[in-house]
Amino acid sequence: GESVGLHLPTLSVQEGDNSIINCAYSNSASDYFIWYKQESGKGPQFIIDIRSNMDKRQGQRVTVLLNKTVKHLSLQIAATQPGDSAVYFCAEIISGTYKYIFGTGTRLKVLA
Amino acid sequence: NAGVMQNPRHLVRRRGQEARLRCSPMKGHSHVYWYRQLPEEGLKFMVYLQKENIIDESGMPKERFSAEFPKEGPSILRIQQVVRGDSAAYFCASSPDRVRSTDTQYFGPGTRLTVL
Repeated sequence: GESVGLHLPTLSVQEGDNSIINCAYSNSASDYFIWYKQESGKGPQFIIDIRSNMDKRQGQRVTVLLNKTVKHLSLQIAATQPGDSAVYFCAEIISGTYKYIFGTGTRLKVLA
Repeated sequence: NAGVMQNPRHLVRRRGQEARLRCSPMKGHSHVYWYRQLPEEGLKFMVYLQKENIIDESGMPKERFSAEFPKEGPSILRIQQVVRGDSAAYFCASSPDRVRSTDTQYFGPGTRLTVL
């Protein structure tokens, strides 16, 4: 289930199930989006990116969906594994700039 | 190809001391970005540097904080007279190209600063 509070929202999924992590971005001018995975004590690791001229992009076990109408981004992880446990951040980049604007993050917990 | 390197990984300072955080970008990357992350929060942009130039320091506090990226050697984020509120993880990222404004930034492992 999902919980929101003073701490990061947490998504708990059973190993082998699919995970969907959502992100709402703030600026209509953003034209590049990246999902990062951050494991405890480590730096953000690039997972997948998508540009605004696309609605969907697939990688290995991951898919990113972009809905520009409602400014929404999602990351789908197929057959979630224990190694997927981490905090996931979306980042939006506004056209013509280099500043990444990070979302607050979602903690994914994979239950054995 | 080594990734972005940061050192030290952990740094403990007493209030009033100076903290120096170092970042070596990926080979072939000439653009460096520093971010700060508080516990349970996302990363916040601090400063963007190219070799010998500060391009944008709008996210960096005006006092006590400075950054440089010399012609030779790593980029340095310097915090003078640290206070407890400076305790955070500081991440460096690098990218290879500024011709396109949307080049992917690759992050280092971070330096966790604790101010006692």
